[in-house]
Amino acid sequence: NAGVMQNPRHLVRRRGQEARLRCSPMKGHSHVYWYRQLPEEGLKFMVYLQKENIIDESGMPKERFSAEFPKEGPSILRIQQVVRGDSAAYFCASSPLQGRGEKLFFGSGTQLSVL
Amino acid sequence: RKEVEQDPGPFNVPEGATVAFNCTYSNSASQSFFWYRQDCRKEPKLLMSVYSSGNEDGRFTAQLNRASQYISLLIRDSKLSDSATYLCVVSLGVLGGSQGNLIFGKGTKLSVKP
Repeated sequence: NAGVMQNPRHLVRRRGQEARLRCSPMKGHSHVYWYRQLPEEGLKFMVYLQKENIIDESGMPKERFSAEFPKEGPSILRIQQVVRGDSAAYFCASSPLQGRGEKLFFGSGTQLSVL
Repeated sequence: RKEVEQDPGPFNVPEGATVAFNCTYSNSASQSFFWYRQDCRKEPKLLMSVYSSGNEDGRFTAQLNRASQYISLLIRDSKLSDSATYLCVVSLGVLGGSQGNLIFGKGTKLSVKP
């Protein structure tokens, strides 16, 4: 039973380019969360999705960031026109249930570096 | 005031030592509490949940004081492999509740030396 799969593991982009981060939840999990961890900072909640629905996007920056979790395929976190400040580790987590911390499984993360 | 506050450390201790980490949280409506462990550049992993009555898992003991909004983690007989960053995590959600996201502290770094 594969864990939460994120790819790419490392992503390098130049300022102004787009970044697409993918997350495949664990089998049987229908709840996906995205978190961002800036250097020397704690993880910050970004968005919570279920299949085809955004449930809570209170942590998403208002511009340039979007997320989706289509009926088929992985969840995608999309960052348009990246800036240096977007450089961070982006972690995806999935859960079979809504919300409980002990039921949350994290992927290995995508390290985004903006040049 | 930060939502979840921890001493960043680092705590440098010898093998076999006992070490304690503290954490405070600001939202009195918080319902669920956890300690996660994060190794350098890797994903956080659940260490243990924290219950009001206190709970123990091997060398690890967690305590919760709701009145003081304070959480602690005690590690006995430290091993080299315990070296990591320990994240205090709080959630407003309960089982079946509507608030799903976790609020992470910045973490306390522990380094266990031979």
